[in-house]
Amino acid sequence: DTEVTQTPKHLVMGMTNKKSLKCEQHMGHRAMYWYKQKAKKPPELMFVYSYEKLSINESVPSRFSPECPNSSLLNLHLHALQPEDSALYLCASSQGTRGDTIYFGEGSWLTVV
Amino acid sequence: GENVEQHPSTLSVQEGDSAVIKCTYSDSASNYFPWYKQELGKRPQLIIDIRSNVGEKKDQRIAVTLNKTAKHFSLHITETQPEDSAVYFCAALNSGYSTLTFGKGTMLLVSP
Repeated sequence: DTEVTQTPKHLVMGMTNKKSLKCEQHMGHRAMYWYKQKAKKPPELMFVYSYEKLSINESVPSRFSPECPNSSLLNLHLHALQPEDSALYLCASSQGTRGDTIYFGEGSWLTVV
Repeated sequence: GENVEQHPSTLSVQEGDSAVIKCTYSDSASNYFPWYKQELGKRPQLIIDIRSNVGEKKDQRIAVTLNKTAKHFSLHITETQPEDSAVYFCAALNSGYSTLTFGKGTMLLVSP
């Protein structure tokens, strides 16, 4: 089973709202990722968690706040977003971070109004 | 950091033809090169990958070749079908950060 599950699939939020995106995997993977993808562009890395610790933050604005409650779960908390933050947010996981296959979830389509 | 160039940006072929997408990378220490297929409105799905200790890998109608000396790798799809139509992304693993850098993508259109 190579399943990474993301919820919600679609989210519309106002610029003053607080919402969260959730991601879950049960493959025993120890690395989890958040990517952002705009239309017709490749995925852009936002955060990497390795063994439940934040190892990479690609200079992401603080209105995006990641959280890794345990090895199977990854959240992305959203607050005071801008319309230009509207995108597909992809969660991914891999066994480790040294050349292991990365599996993507279905994504959460976010629209900020 | 790693830089990945991908060509062409769009590719139109007739059903049954072959399609080739090429990528070059800059970090000679990169050692893992996956290819993802993304259909409209869906997630990127891994279709094939290659590690730097091999030069070619095949899986039915798709194959990937790697030339470490020239720092380029290519995706080959034979006997293309309309359902192969999608955006294809190549990627290379950054040896320093152990994260993937993606190419800009190739939109493949297979006409019946």
